[in-house]
Amino acid sequence: AQSVTQLGSHVSVSEGALVLLRCNYSSSVPPYLFWYVQYPNQGLQLLLKYTSAATLVKGINGFEAEFKKSETSFHLTKPSAHMSDAAEYFCAVSDILTGGGNKLTFGTGTQLKVEL
Amino acid sequence: EAQVTQNPRYLITVTGKKLTVTCSQNMNHEYMSWYRQDPGLGLRQIYYSMNVEVTDKGDVPEGYKVSRKEKRNFPLILESPSPNQTSLYFCASSLGQVDRGYEQYFGPGTRLTVT
Repeated sequence: AQSVTQLGSHVSVSEGALVLLRCNYSSSVPPYLFWYVQYPNQGLQLLLKYTSAATLVKGINGFEAEFKKSETSFHLTKPSAHMSDAAEYFCAVSDILTGGGNKLTFGTGTQLKVEL
Repeated sequence: EAQVTQNPRYLITVTGKKLTVTCSQNMNHEYMSWYRQDPGLGLRQIYYSMNVEVTDKGDVPEGYKVSRKEKRNFPLILESPSPNQTSLYFCASSLGQVDRGYEQYFGPGTRLTVT
């Protein structure tokens, strides 16, 4: 079974500082990897995804993630944090189901706090 | 607007009183799924459906039922809710096509409290 580990349930950064949220995965096949963001009282919104094309993936709101097979990692970064980035972030790996569709296996999430 | 809708958004109920949370998508997606979100556990899949009349268990199906009689709707049924089902529930849908990377679109969530 595939799995995802997110190191650090809470991360705090200053506004303007680098954001680094860590994600490591375990997969027996080339993975599809996703980062989702959840703002307070809202559903999950896709930030970016890796689907075996370019290893450096750019997403919305200035976020990007790099797929490193040798490290089984897919860390999320943003060069300069903004107050509006405060949210919970989830890394997920996709299991492809027979007949179509997929099951997302999520990490436990990282709450990002941005301080002035 | 392409979206997944859920109702109700908030629900407080008592142990044993049957309830249904509705989910509807307007994107003609074949695949739909239910997740529950609990602090420290992330999101876990309850049930999924790959098409009309085709459903299967996810990781935590105990105490839940689903049905898929129409492509757009995928209700979640709790026939006898218990306090351990207090959680935040999300419905999601997906085209399930390889060129989309199997992206799932999520509803806004339903916060359920069972007393």
